[in-house]
Amino acid sequence: GNSVTQMEGPVTLSEEAFLTINCTYTATGYPSLFWYVQYPGEGLQLLLKATKADDKGSNKGFEATYRKETTSFHLEKGSVQVSDSAVYFCALSDLVGNTPLVFGKGTRLSVIA
Amino acid sequence: NAGVTQTPKFQVLKTGQSMTLQCAQDMNHNSMYWYRQDPGMGLRLIYYSASEGTTDKGEVPNGYNVSRLNKREFSLRLESAAPSQTSVYFCASRTSGSVHEQYFGPGTRLTVT
Repeated sequence: GNSVTQMEGPVTLSEEAFLTINCTYTATGYPSLFWYVQYPGEGLQLLLKATKADDKGSNKGFEATYRKETTSFHLEKGSVQVSDSAVYFCALSDLVGNTPLVFGKGTRLSVIA
Repeated sequence: NAGVTQTPKFQVLKTGQSMTLQCAQDMNHNSMYWYRQDPGMGLRLIYYSASEGTTDKGEVPNGYNVSRLNKREFSLRLESAAPSQTSVYFCASRTSGSVHEQYFGPGTRLTVT
């Protein structure tokens, strides 16, 4: 079946450091890929998405590129801020039928000033 | 646009009590979902409804029932609460079409003593 594996946290960075959170997936066909962010005490929000190979999703300074050859969708940001502290979830959508999104377990990021 | 709304925000129950968590969306989405989130466990799907009038079990359905009251509303019922059901519960709805973005509510924090 479909699955998503993302790096375990927690990840602690200093402000202005470079961020990478790794995400790899297993799927049949050509899924869409997503990153969601969950700030403390809130629900998940869509951060960015990519629907086909080599697409780059971007939002709020975050980027991720859909790499079919390595089945990866790593999240990157060049300079993190304290306000980026949150839990980040990688997810995929199988386009067959109405199957729900498949989520990774989440990676907690803490950014310290 | 309110998006996905959930009530209540917080609830404390005693073992054996029952309650219903309410969820509504105003985005005209067909599919709706209930998840629970426990520390270190990520999101786990309880039940989902691909369209009005249909419901399906997810990964952890035991101890729960759901009702898709109409296209807008999808409720989750705990008939006899247990301490193992202490968790944060999230409702979500999903766009139709070729890219399946999910939108989440703010969550209900439930404690069973």
